[in-house]
Amino acid sequence: QVQLVQSGAEVKKPGASVKVSCKTSGYTFTSYGISWVRQAPGQGLEWMGWISVNNGNTNYAQNVHDRVTMTTDTSTSTAYMELRSLRSDDTAMYYCARDRSHRFAYWGQGTLVTVPS
Amino acid sequence: DIQMTQSPSSLSASVGDRVTITCRASQTISTYLNWYQQKPGKAPRLLIYAASSLQSAVPSRFSGSGSGTDFTLTISSLQPEDFATYYCQQSYSTPVTFGGGTKVEIK
Repeated sequence: QVQLVQSGAEVKKPGASVKVSCKTSGYTFTSYGISWVRQAPGQGLEWMGWISVNNGNTNYAQNVHDRVTMTTDTSTSTAYMELRSLRSDDTAMYYCARDRSHRFAYWGQGTLVTVPS
Repeated sequence: DIQMTQSPSSLSASVGDRVTITCRASQTISTYLNWYQQKPGKAPRLLIYAASSLQSAVPSRFSGSGSGTDFTLTISSLQPEDFATYYCQQSYSTPVTFGGGTKVEIK
């Protein structure tokens, strides 16, 4: 069965970086993209960007494009999202999702990133 | 960016009720519209894709309709496990955008 398993919760200081992993299984990793979606506490869903696992192309949301890097490791079927220069408003649950034409049928369990103010 | 507006933002309903949630896009998106259900502490779950196609394993009481700018999610007979927050999402263009959510609560 398709699974996306994310790394554990993180607490980071303002200005620091965080790198979240998303290990996939149960499907051909290179056949789908990966999108990252975050959700601040009590708030809605915000798309952060997408990576093509096939060729490494990326498309980042404007509000994070200068601070985010999405990568993949095809040898381990794992996707990564690094967010730099963290601020308190980056505190959120971060989700990876298997992306098929920007339709998200499978999600990771989420990684809580906390940036105390 | 395409703005997605959901209404209502919350509603109270009873088990067995028919529930309708609407989603409006700020520009035409054809049928590139998906619906998700999210329960507290859980990842979203895809219910409907391409405006009206039922995702595998989703109960048939869920249905979607619409095209262009106006879309609807209907739950034909609300069940206890359906109390959750529902989001629409456009996959027509990037940036991908979500509606603000509709919280369905028990009356």
